[in-house]
Amino acid sequence: DIQLTQSPSSLSSSVGDRVTITCRASQSISNNLNWYQVKPGKAPKFLISAALRVQLGVPSRFSASGSGTAFTLTISTLQPEDFATYYCQQSYSSPWTFGQGTKVE
Amino acid sequence: QVQLVQSGSELKRPGASVTVSCKASGYTFTKYALHWVRQAPGQGLEWMGWMNTDTGKPGYAQGFTGRLVFSLDTSVNTAYLQINGLEAEDTAVYYCAKYTAAGEALDSWGQGTLVTVSS
Repeated sequence: DIQLTQSPSSLSSSVGDRVTITCRASQSISNNLNWYQVKPGKAPKFLISAALRVQLGVPSRFSASGSGTAFTLTISTLQPEDFATYYCQQSYSSPWTFGQGTKVE
Repeated sequence: QVQLVQSGSELKRPGASVTVSCKASGYTFTKYALHWVRQAPGQGLEWMGWMNTDTGKPGYAQGFTGRLVFSLDTSVNTAYLQINGLEAEDTAVYYCAKYTAAGEALDSWGQGTLVTVSS
């Protein structure tokens, strides 16, 4: 199985901060990497596909990059509604796997 | 708009079975696969497998083989997750999620169903 390791596991941030989350894969996954936002009691929200495609309706402060084994999610100017846990997920091979999550608090 | 509406919370004894339903609307049900993902308390997301809604063929994550049954009723645009032989470790929120070929990702999620396994 492909392991995804996110860093940091948690991040203490303030409104207005620039936040960067890293996701590393145990083997190359090309650009088959997606990002989700999860808030307590809410369904996960799909943010980014194919390593860098920001989904329609997702604020432009979210961006992502990477390929192969190293990926990043960046929030340029953190807003109050961005405090959540972020997960990367690979769809390169089955079983699909998620990173362990990064809590932005 | 796409909606996935799941059944309500369940409390089950160890060894019992549970069925979670996921009713889809707002798109052609048989055009996109449905995946199942769970989140145990304080833990991350765990992919459980997927259901080809066109052929009815399921694919299960290895750690669950033998205890999971995915099924469909295309007449009512509904997918089902059945877990047999429940263990305390199965206590989690279970999500269904719609597949999108654009990025091979999960673009719409149900609201989640809490399954609690306790004696």
